[in-house]
Order: sequence, then C-alpha cells, then structure tokens
Amino acid sequence: AQSVTQPDIHITVSEGASLELRCNYSYGATPYLFWYVQSPGQGLQLLLKYFSGDTLVQGIKGFEAEFKRSQSSFNLRKPSVHWSDAAEYFCAVGVFIIQGAQKLVFGQGTRLTINP
Amino acid sequence: KAGVTQTPRYLIKTRGQQVTLSCSPISGHRSVSWYQQTPGQGLQFLFEYFSETQRNKGNFPGRFSGRQFSNSRSEMNVSTLELGDSALYLCASSTGLAGGFKTQYFGPGTRLLVL
Repeated sequence: AQSVTQPDIHITVSEGASLELRCNYSYGATPYLFWYVQSPGQGLQLLLKYFSGDTLVQGIKGFEAEFKRSQSSFNLRKPSVHWSDAAEYFCAVGVFIIQGAQKLVFGQGTRLTINP
Repeated sequence: KAGVTQTPRYLIKTRGQQVTLSCSPISGHRSVSWYQQTPGQGLQFLFEYFSETQRNKGNFPGRFSGRQFSNSRSEMNVSTLELGDSALYLCASSTGLAGGFKTQYFGPGTRLLVL
C-alpha cells in the first residue's frame, strides 16, 4: 500500500539557519510527490511538486526539494529560514485509483518552530 | 483567479445532528476532493467528485456522503454526528483531466466541532 513517512514530528531551528525536513514514500510506480505547508487554522498551500525530470525542484518561499529514487525520499530544504516559516509541513504522494480517479496520501506532518 | 472557497469556516453541532459543508473549486476545475484532518489520524481522503460523479471513495462510514453540481461546486454531508467527527474538513480542486496526476489546490477548510 502507498504510504508516506515523515520521521520528525517537531523540529526547532534558529532564524537564519538552514532547514531540512525528511520525507520517505512507498509507492510501486513512478511517484508524484508534493510538499504542502499549513499555518495554524489554515488550509494547505502547495510549496512544490515533483512529477518527472530534474530531481531538484524549486518551489515558493525559497524552498527546494530533491527526489532520490534509490532512497525513496523527497526531502525539503531551505538555506535560511525566516520566522514566518513556522508552520506544519506535509509531504504527500499522488496515487491513481482507477479511471483517472486520484487521491493524495499524506505523511503525518512536521511542525516547524523558529527560535528568534 | 480566485482560489478554492469553503463555507462555513466554523461550525458547532451536537451529537446526532447532521451537517452540510460546501466547497467552490477554482474556476475551470472539474474535480473536487474532500479530506478530513484530525490530530490523531492526520489527513485522510474522504472522496473525489468529477463531473457530478463520485469516482473515488476513502474508508469512511456511509454517514459521510457528498455530491457535485453541474457548476462543479460540491457539498459533503455528515449524518448522525459523532464526537469523533470533530475535525478540519478540507476541500481540494484540480482540473481532473486525464493524463498524469493533477495538482490539487486546497481551500481554507471548515472547522467542525461536535459537542
């Protein structure tokens, strides 16, 4: 079955420090991978996605992610975090069902806290 | 282009009641998916509608149902509410067209509290 694992439930970093959030997936076919961010009380905002091609993808707000097929990973990175990056981050894999039906399978999320 | 909108944003109900939530997708999008988010279970897929037809359903009891209208707006209904139905209900829209996975864009959610 398809699954996504985010090993870190909570991460704290200092403002200006670099960030890496880990994501591992399990999916039999070529994966469609996503990172979403959720601020408190809000919906999910798409940060970036990987469908094919270049394994390093750029997203909004200075985020990037690298797809590594050999490690079944899609880690999210940012070279220098800002206080406004404090939020919960979700990794997801897009799954096809039948006849074009699709759904997202999410990891449990990583809550990011920024120290001033 | 306007994003996905959901109404109402907040709702308080009591056990045994029923509730209807509404979602308007991005203009031109024909697929609407619903997800439930709880602290214990995380984000779980409820169902997907495309061109007024449910084409995908998650592992939820029959108390959870939905529909889609000809303008692609969707509603979900939960009957006989239980305390465990308290959650953030998120709606996502995509083009739904064939040929590869279509990116889903989320609304702000409806926070449901069952007392």
